[in-house]
Amino acid sequence: QQPVQSPQAVILREGEDAVINCSSSKALYSVHWYRQKHGEAPVFLMILLKGGEQKGHEKISASFNEKKQQSSLYLTASQLSYSGTYFCDPLGSSGGGADGLTFGKGTHLIIQP
Amino acid sequence: KAGVTQTPRYLIKTRGQQVTLSCSPISGHRSVSWYQQTPGQGLQFLFEYFSETQRNKGNFPGRFSGRQFSNSRSEMNVSTLELGDSALYLCASSPGGANTEAFFGQGTRLTVV
Repeated sequence: QQPVQSPQAVILREGEDAVINCSSSKALYSVHWYRQKHGEAPVFLMILLKGGEQKGHEKISASFNEKKQQSSLYLTASQLSYSGTYFCDPLGSSGGGADGLTFGKGTHLIIQP
Repeated sequence: KAGVTQTPRYLIKTRGQQVTLSCSPISGHRSVSWYQQTPGQGLQFLFEYFSETQRNKGNFPGRFSGRQFSNSRSEMNVSTLELGDSALYLCASSPGGANTEAFFGQGTRLTVV
């Protein structure tokens, strides 16, 4: 089942903070986040694990909500290079590679000078 | 360390034909996943192969098939092409564990006319 991402698109000024949400119909085991720039392949950003631990980009963080059915990605003091489409891939309770990667439709982020 | 290589990069086929796309994963990676990316549907999961076995499959018709060889290279085949199959096909390789980073290739742009 495809997760729902919000907002669909957001335009910010350089230096502003951004929050991107990823919602699932079931409790999440972990969430992977990727960013894709126009004409390029998606690139790994980070993994948010069940216990809240994070692996990945040092200037990007993420969290689960209380019921663990939503994850939010936080981009602090955004830079021009943060522009792109952000995808989340939430893995359900079965976890593991058996779930494959089922991405949301993406959030388009534009950072302006 | 070489990245994920997809061939060919661009392909034009006629409706009704079949096509085979190739993906060479990063050395040592045993998992290869395939995705279809279109402007309207975003990234959609096709299937995942791990150690030559299909481990997971998305909701695509049987015209879409794949396989993985003993060297982890993978091929994806689409038979009886339809106009709607025009898309960017991406493959991603990973070691195959539950919370491991996936590395994407640059994709094959398939146009069906």
